[in-house]
Amino acid sequence: DGGITQSPKYLFRKEGQNVTLSCEQNLNHDAMYWYRQDPGQGLRLIYYSQIVNDFQKGDIAEGYSVSREKKESFPLTVTSAQKNPTAFYLCASSIGAAAQETQYFGPGTRLLVL
Amino acid sequence: QKEVEQNSGPLSVPEGAIASLNCTYSDRGSQSFFWYRQYSGKSPELIMFIYSNGDKEDGRFTAQLNKASQYVSLLIRDSQPSDSATYLCAVRDRGTSYGKLTFGQGTILTVHP
Repeated sequence: DGGITQSPKYLFRKEGQNVTLSCEQNLNHDAMYWYRQDPGQGLRLIYYSQIVNDFQKGDIAEGYSVSREKKESFPLTVTSAQKNPTAFYLCASSIGAAAQETQYFGPGTRLLVL
Repeated sequence: QKEVEQNSGPLSVPEGAIASLNCTYSDRGSQSFFWYRQYSGKSPELIMFIYSNGDKEDGRFTAQLNKASQYVSLLIRDSQPSDSATYLCAVRDRGTSYGKLTFGQGTILTVHP
């Protein structure tokens, strides 16, 4: 089955710790995105990547880092610099970045701070 | 700052009624508009997208776009309890070379039997 997978489903972070969220897609999509969702709010863009080995900051990139070494994979690292990391993290992908391209979401990772 | 505004609700309708969800956006040049449904604790799933003024129908769902008034709406006919969810409006920005979407905060819909 084609789709987007994210792991883990739940992640606990200790203070001062870096943690990495996994996102994998087998849809052969070029573009991938990371969003953050806080309770009662919409989604905010953290990082995006249009092609392998290239990525750009979104609206709230501070305290986060990404890599795009393979087309299928776009991991997100939440660094210790992110002081309020508790949120629902969503990975998305689209065929390309044209106006008509729709974004499809993975199941999400819920990050909690211990 | 480009904005997408939705009434957060909750919007409560009886089963079988029409649910009407509205969304306004600030960027007059916005090109594409999307409605996502998000069940509690789950990720958003695409319901409808619309690019041109007017109506677009898909089953029980109708998206309506009025670019002159800068609003997009979603109508759900014959509402079912399974339609109870948060509905997110997303707008594709003008002039972006990538797929940046700006999301509204979502409207909570409750369909009661």
